[in-house]
Amino acid sequence: QSALTQPASVSGSPGQSIAISCTGTSSDVGAYDYVSWYQQHPDKAPKLMIYDVSKRPSGVSDRFSGSKSDNTASLTISGLQAEDEADYYCCSYASGYIYVFGTGTKVTVL
Amino acid sequence: EVQLVESGGGLVQPGGSLRLSCAASGFTFSSYWMHWVRQAPGKGLVWVSRINPDGSYTTYADSVKGRFTMSRDNAKNTLYLQMNSLRAEDTAVYYCAWDLTGPRDYWGQGTLVTVSS
Repeated sequence: QSALTQPASVSGSPGQSIAISCTGTSSDVGAYDYVSWYQQHPDKAPKLMIYDVSKRPSGVSDRFSGSKSDNTASLTISGLQAEDEADYYCCSYASGYIYVFGTGTKVTVL
Repeated sequence: EVQLVESGGGLVQPGGSLRLSCAASGFTFSSYWMHWVRQAPGKGLVWVSRINPDGSYTTYADSVKGRFTMSRDNAKNTLYLQMNSLRAEDTAVYYCAWDLTGPRDYWGQGTLVTVSS
């Protein structure tokens, strides 16, 4: 049950696009189309931004998009805004009827 | 309006026990899987456990298996996490979550558990 691997930090200027990767294995990310992405601001509960690889919950901006290829999922944030500065975590359903989160990525808006 | 309110956190000595509760409202509690997720201070999210709607089936992360027990009382719309044999590495904010990774995904504000002598 190792955590999924994410880059520790990603940065971009306002208006730019950035991508965050989430690398797992054939027992989690590669096995199921059940990858989700969470945004967490300091001292706040996480907020779901993407589920089932590429679906957006109601109310989430279409600037957020998700994709997956083999054992790696990605979250893309386009038109970066100051309010996007936060920690982001991926999460995947995994064999053994469990879930596993990623190591987390700090997004900085320059 | 959906609400999840965790309680029961606090300071406990290594080897001790604690029971967390999560009071749910605003949705049909008895129809949904529920989860616990924890986050150590300054660290990432870690999935802990889940329970099916009628409480008959649970799964756990290896790190807590055999020490933690998740349960629910659908008559009281309340979720529980019984934590035994606590270790320093169990220190974290514990969140309960509804429909984790699903379109209705919703988390409580968390309760802090500190394991220290």
